[in-house]
Amino acid sequence: EAGVAQSPRYKIIEKRQSVAFWCNPISGHATLYWYQQILGQGPKLLIQFQNNGVVDDSQLPKDRFSAERLKGVDSTLKIQPAKLEDSAVYLCASSLALRQYTEAFFGQGTRLTVV
Amino acid sequence: QQQVKQSPQSLIVQKGGISIINCAYENTAFDYFPWYQQFPGKGPALLIAIRPDVSEKKEGRFTISFNKSAKQFSLHIMDSQPGDSATYFCAASITQGAQKLVFGQGTRLTINP
Repeated sequence: EAGVAQSPRYKIIEKRQSVAFWCNPISGHATLYWYQQILGQGPKLLIQFQNNGVVDDSQLPKDRFSAERLKGVDSTLKIQPAKLEDSAVYLCASSLALRQYTEAFFGQGTRLTVV
Repeated sequence: QQQVKQSPQSLIVQKGGISIINCAYENTAFDYFPWYQQFPGKGPALLIAIRPDVSEKKEGRFTISFNKSAKQFSLHIMDSQPGDSATYFCAASITQGAQKLVFGQGTRLTINP
């Protein structure tokens, strides 16, 4: 089966610019996650969707980050305006549903560099 | 209380040796403990996972040991191979409601040939 697809793979922007990332989860997966992975650290959950509803966005910096999952399939994550500290790899993951021990499958990520 | 602490940050092991990575957690509500393996330029991939009702789980050369009373769990890689060189993350989740994974800081493992 096809994996989680993310684009672009790399993005370089200047601070205060805006950027958007796209994610296409595995077909049939109801749960979608966006993680931020700063170099040398473990992934940190930004937002979690169940179908097109938000389950958890407690760690999303809502003054600059936004995410949506229209029609419960693809998702976009936007940063506006970007700061230097937003430089990181943004990982999208998906899993079948909100149930016990469901494996989360990760995409390759988008590496964002803010200069 | 939502943190998972992982050690060491980096580890070098000779080919054929045993690699051991340790993790500790505080929140006793965690009930699912996976380990993820990440190669450069790739997303993390599930390696092996354990539930707190068992003390050990083995899959091939990979074993998770779980100590519920100490709130610690560890990954053992037997007969370590150069292809095992990667970054390993422990994680923990509360599976009631949203399955939200909390990751450790990661261990960069290098297996010398």
